[in-house]
Amino acid sequence: GAGVSQSPSNKVTEKGKDVELRCDPISGHTALYWYRQSLGQGLEFLIYFQGNSAPDKSGLPSDRFSAERTGGSVSTLTIQRTQQEDSAVYLCASSRRTALVTGELFFGEGSRLTVL
Amino acid sequence: DQQVKQNSPSLSVQEGRISILNCDYTNSMFDYFLWYKKYPAEGPTFLISISSIKDKNEDGRFTVFLNKSAKHLSLHIVPSQPGDSAVYFCAASARNSGTYKYIFGTGTRLKVLA
Repeated sequence: GAGVSQSPSNKVTEKGKDVELRCDPISGHTALYWYRQSLGQGLEFLIYFQGNSAPDKSGLPSDRFSAERTGGSVSTLTIQRTQQEDSAVYLCASSRRTALVTGELFFGEGSRLTVL
Repeated sequence: DQQVKQNSPSLSVQEGRISILNCDYTNSMFDYFLWYKKYPAEGPTFLISISSIKDKNEDGRFTVFLNKSAKHLSLHIVPSQPGDSAVYFCAASARNSGTYKYIFGTGTRLKVLA
């Protein structure tokens, strides 16, 4: 498809398990973002990749969270030893470098994570 | 610390009337602002943006106003249509600090009544 693709769309896991969430950005987009939206909350910034630059990890809430972007394309967000407060919709967005001027990020539909 | 605040969680407006969505920010380094719209079960979509060198930007039915001294921006939708019913997020970044990290508000749910 032409849009940002995220998988899985839904994930239910038990507390203490590790989870991986995947994001396929739009082809050619150099910037990739991860946000999460907890119930009743806004979009919380997690991490931002831009080309070959070092990622901005300032939004990761704890060292249980990590993300990588392989080959400047696909990204994986990993949450280790999940806790119930990690339950949220995790949204990925990508952007062309030129679109960064306008601020237009293209979001996927999100991965809903439920930690029991 | 919520740097971008949308104090009205919801708003109802009659079709054809003006919708005004408000957003306040606390970080004086923010110099670029955006509005996104989100329908249920979909990702947010970009609506309109404004740089701090301007105080108004217009795109069709959507106009964003920026008041830097008050650290306040607003989105006006005129005329409002039922299809505008969605959650609206404002976002801000500090581009002059060399970052394209966007901080989002908590959103305002707009309902346009037919």
